[in-house]
Amino acid sequence: AQSVSQHNHHVILSEAASLELGCNYSYGGTVNLFWYVQYPGQHLQLLLKYFSGDPLVKGIKGFEAEFIKSKFSFNLRKPSVQWSDTAEYFCAVTTPVTSGTYKYIFGTGTRLKVLA
Amino acid sequence: DTGVSQDPRHKITKRGQNVTFRCDPISEHNRLYWYRQTLGQGPEFLTYFQNEAQLEKSRLLSDRFSAERPKGSFSTLEIQRTEQGDSAMYLCASSPGQGNFYEQYFGPGTRLTVT
Repeated sequence: AQSVSQHNHHVILSEAASLELGCNYSYGGTVNLFWYVQYPGQHLQLLLKYFSGDPLVKGIKGFEAEFIKSKFSFNLRKPSVQWSDTAEYFCAVTTPVTSGTYKYIFGTGTRLKVLA
Repeated sequence: DTGVSQDPRHKITKRGQNVTFRCDPISEHNRLYWYRQTLGQGPEFLTYFQNEAQLEKSRLLSDRFSAERPKGSFSTLEIQRTEQGDSAMYLCASSPGQGNFYEQYFGPGTRLTVT
C-alpha cells in the first residue's frame, strides 16, 4: 500500500539552527508532493509543493524541499529556524487512482519546537 | 473571510447517536475533500467530490459514514450509530478544479467526541 513516512516525530531546535525534516513515500509512479504546516491553533496550510521540473522547490517563509526520485524522498529544509516556526509539519503525496481521480496520503507529522 | 468553513467546530455525542457535519468550501472551488485526523496522526483521506460527484472513497469510510454534496457547493458528512472509535477531528478541504487544483485549502475542522 502507498504510504508516507516522516521519520522525526518531535524535533527541538534552538533559534538559528538549521532544519531538515525527512519524508519518504512508497509509490513507483508519478507523484505530486507537498509539505503542509499547522501552526498552533490554526488550519493546515500549504508550505510548498512539487509537481515537476526543478527538484528543488522553494516555499513560503524561507522553506525549501528537494525531491530525490531515486530515494523516494522529499525532505524539508530551512537554513535558520525562528521561534515562529514552531508548528507541526506534514508531508503529503497525491497518487492517481483512476483516470482523473487522485488519492491523497499524509504522513504522521513532525512536531517542531524552536526554543528562543 | 472566504476560507473553508466547517460547522460545528465541536460536537459531543453519545455512542449510538447520529451526527452530521457541514463544510462550506471556498466559493467556486469545485473539488471538496473530507479527512479524519486522530491524535498523533496525519489527516487520513476519506472521500472527495468534484462538483456533486463523489469520485473516490477510502476504505476507512464504513457503511455508517455517508457524504453528500448535492448542489456542488457545501457538503455534509454523516456518521450513523457513532462509536467511540469515531472520535477524531474531521477536516474538510477544497481546491480549484483547474490549474492549482492539487493545492488544498483546509478548514478549521470539527472535533467529534463520542462518549
